[in-house]
Amino acid sequence: EDQVTQSPEALRLQEGESSSLNCSYTVSGLRGLFWYRQDPGKGPEFLFTLYSAGEEKEKERLKATLTKKESFLHITAPKPEDSATYLCAVRSGGATNKLIFGTGTLLAVQP
Amino acid sequence: GAVVSQHPSWVICKSGTSVKIECRSLDFQATTMFWYRQFPKQSLMLMATSNEGSKATYEQGVEKDKFLINHASLTLSTLTVTSAHPEDSSFYICSARATSGADTQYFGPGTRLTVL
Repeated sequence: EDQVTQSPEALRLQEGESSSLNCSYTVSGLRGLFWYRQDPGKGPEFLFTLYSAGEEKEKERLKATLTKKESFLHITAPKPEDSATYLCAVRSGGATNKLIFGTGTLLAVQP
Repeated sequence: GAVVSQHPSWVICKSGTSVKIECRSLDFQATTMFWYRQFPKQSLMLMATSNEGSKATYEQGVEKDKFLINHASLTLSTLTVTSAHPEDSSFYICSARATSGADTQYFGPGTRLTVL
């Protein structure tokens, strides 16, 4: 069964304190791993798509990496405005063709 | 970037009434649209997948007669919650995937439904 697990559930950082969020997955034929950011009361905002092990993508203070079993979202020198819930999702090559979401990591960056 | 809009952003209704939520892809055509609901502090739960011009495919446990989905064009999908009850109160989010074959789904801002 396709599954996505994110850790930690919650993370509190000081401004400027770099860290990483983890997304572990088991899927039959990965057709993409997606990172989204979700602010309270809003829909998820697309960040990155990764397709194959070794792939990396960057956007401002965020960098996403992918291996055959997990993905990391690295946050470098975070700012308070980076506070949000970060969601990871995968799409498998199976018949369902739907996104399977993890439960998210709630990130709080304190000034 | 791709933009998906939803209307209304919030709605309050009385028990027994029906509520329609619109989802539009503003700058791209979407062959496939998705409807999710999200309870507080929980992740997104897929309700149904709709393809333009076809009947929606509902996830297990989602009542198709209660949650009516229409995907009449490549830029518009609607979700109608029929005979709403307080337990239907939730955050409903639509999502769209472009016809170009790209895998990325873009999400709307969500609609907060409160049923009194």
